[in-house]
Amino acid sequence: EAQVTQNPRYLITVTGKKLTVTCSQNMNHEYMSWYRQDPGLGLRQIYYSMNVEVTDKGDVPEGYKVSRKEKRNFPLILESPSPNQTSLYFCASSFDSFGTEAFFGQGTRLTVV
Amino acid sequence: QKEVEQNSGPLSVPEGAIASLNCTYSDRGSQSFFWYRQYSGKSPELIMSIYSNGDKEDGRFTAQLNKASQYVSLLIRDSQPSDSATYLCAVKREYGNKLVFGAGTILRVKS
Repeated sequence: EAQVTQNPRYLITVTGKKLTVTCSQNMNHEYMSWYRQDPGLGLRQIYYSMNVEVTDKGDVPEGYKVSRKEKRNFPLILESPSPNQTSLYFCASSFDSFGTEAFFGQGTRLTVV
Repeated sequence: QKEVEQNSGPLSVPEGAIASLNCTYSDRGSQSFFWYRQYSGKSPELIMSIYSNGDKEDGRFTAQLNKASQYVSLLIRDSQPSDSATYLCAVKREYGNKLVFGAGTILRVKS
């Protein structure tokens, strides 16, 4: 089954404690991206990757890092989380080079206290 | 002004009626437009894409695009209670591989 898998689904952490949210896709997609979703603001892109070792900033990259060492994996790293990063996070991948986000992961609800 | 604007709703329609969801965008050079459906607590699901002016039909869904007016809409015919969800409009910027999403319109179909 084609899917994008995120882990964990829920996470409560404390300010400043580094965390990683993993994302993996089994469709051999080249394009992957990370979004955060906040009430009234919709989905906002954090980072995207066109291929292995090729990443670029989205609209809200501050406080986040990503890496793309393998085609299937695109982890999101919060080096020093802060309460304003409390949000619902989605990883997505797409089947074409134009970045049509056709497949989203299940989401990770992150709370930073 | 937001790059992609949607009425937040909720839009309430009776079962069997046509639901009309609207979206405006500011980047005049945008060429690709998408509608996603998101059920409460779930991830977005791509339901329609449209690239040319006019209508595109897929089952009960019709996407309409008017680039001159910078306007995209989604019509859902014979609305069902299972269509109750948040509908997200997304526009690909003319430059760069970035999708910009609207905040979504909540649709409620009442039986």
